[in-house]
Amino acid sequence: DVVMTQSPLSLPVTLGQPASISCRSSQSVVYSDGNTYLNWFQQRPGQSPRRLIYQVSNRDSGVPDRFSGSGSGTDFTLKISRVEAEDVGVYYCMQGTHWPGTFGQGTKVEI
Amino acid sequence: EVQLLESGGDLVQPGGSLRLSCAASGFTLRSYAMSWVRQAPGKGLEWVSAISASGGSTYYADSVKGRFTISRDTSKNTLFLQMITLRVEDTAVYYCAEQQGGYWGQGTLVTVSS
Repeated sequence: DVVMTQSPLSLPVTLGQPASISCRSSQSVVYSDGNTYLNWFQQRPGQSPRRLIYQVSNRDSGVPDRFSGSGSGTDFTLKISRVEAEDVGVYYCMQGTHWPGTFGQGTKVEI
Repeated sequence: EVQLLESGGDLVQPGGSLRLSCAASGFTLRSYAMSWVRQAPGKGLEWVSAISASGGSTYYADSVKGRFTISRDTSKNTLFLQMITLRVEDTAVYYCAEQQGGYWGQGTLVTVSS
């Protein structure tokens, strides 16, 4: 199974400052079609997960442009350019390349 | 608008059974691979089971293999998870989700306790 390792697991942030979460996969998550199915999710307290980023760097509809994703192969990063209060929650990376998928452990973002 | 609505969660004794349902609207289940993902209290997300878009392939986490069965009724646009021989450690919120995570339900709580 593909193991997804996130760091840090806890991220204290300051409003208005940038934040970054790293995600590393135990093997390449590039699919045979050439796409990399690496997604990022946000889960606010008491809510269902919400996908923010799909295929490494594509923002889902309605996601603020302060969120961005980057990376390739086995190393990926989610960045928040300027943290806002509503960004508090747990963030997960997930690979959807190797059936059915694997989640990272989650990174708790708190002010 | 896409909606996934789970139901069927309940309090059940160890060894008991439950069937979870996920009714889809604005979304055709047979066009997508679908999954059940669970989240134990205070824990992260865990894949439980998945079914391919064709319905021809299924996946089960080792922890539920032989006890859980995923299925779907395309005429009713509904996904199911049949759970038997439930254990205390199966206690969690169960979400149905499109396999790449683009759509999620609100979750249904399964509590296994005596």
